[in-house]
Amino acid sequence: GENVEQHPSTLSVQEGDSAVIKCTYSDSASNYFPWYKQELGKRPQLIIDIRSNVGEKKDQRIAVTLNKTAKHFSLHITETQPEDSAVYFCAARQQAGTALIFGKGTTLSVSS
Amino acid sequence: DGGITQSPKYLFRKEGQNVTLSCEQNLNHDAMYWYRQDPGQGLRLIYYSQIVNDFQKGDIAEGYSVSREKKESFPLTVTSAQKNPTAFYLCASSIPQFRLRGTGELFFGEGSRLTVL
Repeated sequence: GENVEQHPSTLSVQEGDSAVIKCTYSDSASNYFPWYKQELGKRPQLIIDIRSNVGEKKDQRIAVTLNKTAKHFSLHITETQPEDSAVYFCAARQQAGTALIFGKGTTLSVSS
Repeated sequence: DGGITQSPKYLFRKEGQNVTLSCEQNLNHDAMYWYRQDPGQGLRLIYYSQIVNDFQKGDIAEGYSVSREKKESFPLTVTSAQKNPTAFYLCASSIPQFRLRGTGELFFGEGSRLTVL
């Protein structure tokens, strides 16, 4: 089955800096790669996703890039703010009709 | 107010007892999922169901059971066979990607925290 590795497990940045979180997946048939944000005490929520026919997607300060050949994808957050502090999870799905497999998460801390 | 509701929020259980966690959604989603969240372990898939009366095991199904008798309900039973059941359990639902307008986005409940005494 699919296996998703996520790095780093913790990331501390200063406000205004950029943050990058990287994930690799094992199954070349995977075609959907979302990122979820979980604030302390809250439920995970989708912040951005990308499908395998696209190399990059942006939404304001966040972007995701996908390298299908290398089987890795990354989350980029620019101009970080304290409210970006949360746990971020990457995930991959092998095919429609199967479930998302998540990475172990990255705890991002943005200090002002 | 549409959404996905989990109950109870907190649950305490003695060793050897079975316990059932409730998950109800009124989003008219076909698919429902159960994940277990432990510190440093991410979200691990227990069971999922794409349609009523059908479900599949996830990566850590041992010691758990589910049913999907109704579209809006997907209860999870943590049995006495689960060796380390203390954890935070998250239920989610989605419109599968293969459905029209299906994006595959998961909508999560607020979770249930189970503690075995």
